[in-house]
Amino acid sequence: NAGVMQNPRHLVRRRGQEARLRCSPMKGHSHVYWYRQLPEEGLKFMVYLQKENIIDESGMPKERFSAEFPKEGPSILRIQQVVRGDSAAYFCASSRGGTGDEQYFGPGTRLTVT
Amino acid sequence: DQQVKQNSPSLSVQEGRISILNCDYTNSMFDYFLWYKKYPAEGPTFLISISSIKDKNEDGRFTVFLNKSAKHLSLHIVPSQPGDSAVYFCAVPRGTPLVFGKGTRLSVIA
Repeated sequence: NAGVMQNPRHLVRRRGQEARLRCSPMKGHSHVYWYRQLPEEGLKFMVYLQKENIIDESGMPKERFSAEFPKEGPSILRIQQVVRGDSAAYFCASSRGGTGDEQYFGPGTRLTVT
Repeated sequence: DQQVKQNSPSLSVQEGRISILNCDYTNSMFDYFLWYKKYPAEGPTFLISISSIKDKNEDGRFTVFLNKSAKHLSLHIVPSQPGDSAVYFCAVPRGTPLVFGKGTRLSVIA
């Protein structure tokens, strides 16, 4: 009964490179959420996806960031041309249903941009 | 514009005593509140919640109190144990996404 899986756990990228973060939701969960935690801050919502659909991307920066949750496979958060300010912990959560359903969080991916 | 505020970044408590973690919110329309606990290098885990129709919810050593007129909630842990040392976040659902406070780091000293 695996929980939410994220990989890699740690990712180091140089400025200008691309970062790909993966999230496999809990079994039976079709809703995925991405949050970002900057140092000394709380988690901030980025994007909410269901299979093959972006439901809410109001927290996603307009440029360089994209997310997908294909019919098969994990959800991917992609950051193009990373900058130092992208260094953060990125958490994925999943839920069985949408509004009102409990969100279960993965262990996070810590991205460091050098 | 912080909708959920945790004004104490850290708290130290002796083992066996009560820990009280506080959270203030700005929107009186919020009707459901959650507390999450987070250990280093792990994701947050749900701890306890409260609906605005209640003013108290208890689960073992954990009790959450809600004061709607003051827009304030608090989490009480009694007795505190060393394993409770973690960062505690209060959160509210804004539609489906959760809005988190900045967290309070609790250290329980043996």
